[in-house]
Amino acid sequence: GAVVSQHPSWVICKSGTSVKIECRSLDFQATTMFWYRQFPKQSLMLMATSNEGSKATYEQGVEKDKFLINHASLTLSTLTVTSAHPEDSSFYICSAPRGGPDTQYFGPGTRLTVL
Amino acid sequence: QKEVEQNSGPLSVPEGAIASLNCTYSDRVSQSFFWYRQYSGKSPELIMSIYSNGDKEDGRFTAQLNKASQYVSLLIRDSQPSDSATYLCAVSTSGTYKYIFGTGTRLKVLA
Repeated sequence: GAVVSQHPSWVICKSGTSVKIECRSLDFQATTMFWYRQFPKQSLMLMATSNEGSKATYEQGVEKDKFLINHASLTLSTLTVTSAHPEDSSFYICSAPRGGPDTQYFGPGTRLTVL
Repeated sequence: QKEVEQNSGPLSVPEGAIASLNCTYSDRVSQSFFWYRQYSGKSPELIMSIYSNGDKEDGRFTAQLNKASQYVSLLIRDSQPSDSATYLCAVSTSGTYKYIFGTGTRLKVLA
């Protein structure tokens, strides 16, 4: 069964609004979670590493003030896309490590469409 | 710039055949290698992980790793139409959990 959940699975919003996406680890604790973005027909690109109890670390080129990450507990990380624009429309996927070395399990993803 | 390269495909194979998917990586310190399957509109699901040179088999799937050649492959035996998906190769440096993904190879298994 699923080990990582995301909510919502899809969201449509107007340009300029903010959208919050939740990522939960099920039945295990994750002090670290990862947020990826995937544009159509492209691969996953790591956006940021979410760290429980400390600030997230962002990959080069990712605006930390636009993509706010909060690792609220050992099972929950949230990604807020602030002042969303159509170019932010994408498939956002979180992951959490579990099991073997460096093994990550991915959430089901959230499809964001900004009108 | 660390890179992971895959042929985008599509790779078409008849049902029952062996599908061979390849991946090369540029960072020699990479130590963990993964194959994920991604169906259209869905998130990736882990198929195999491999850490040591050689072959690792799991059911119809075999992962092969050659660190000297910086090459990792995935063989799918007795391919089924349900195997039709995009296969992503991911590489990580041990202990970082930070993956670099290839662009994926689209596999089509023809019934």
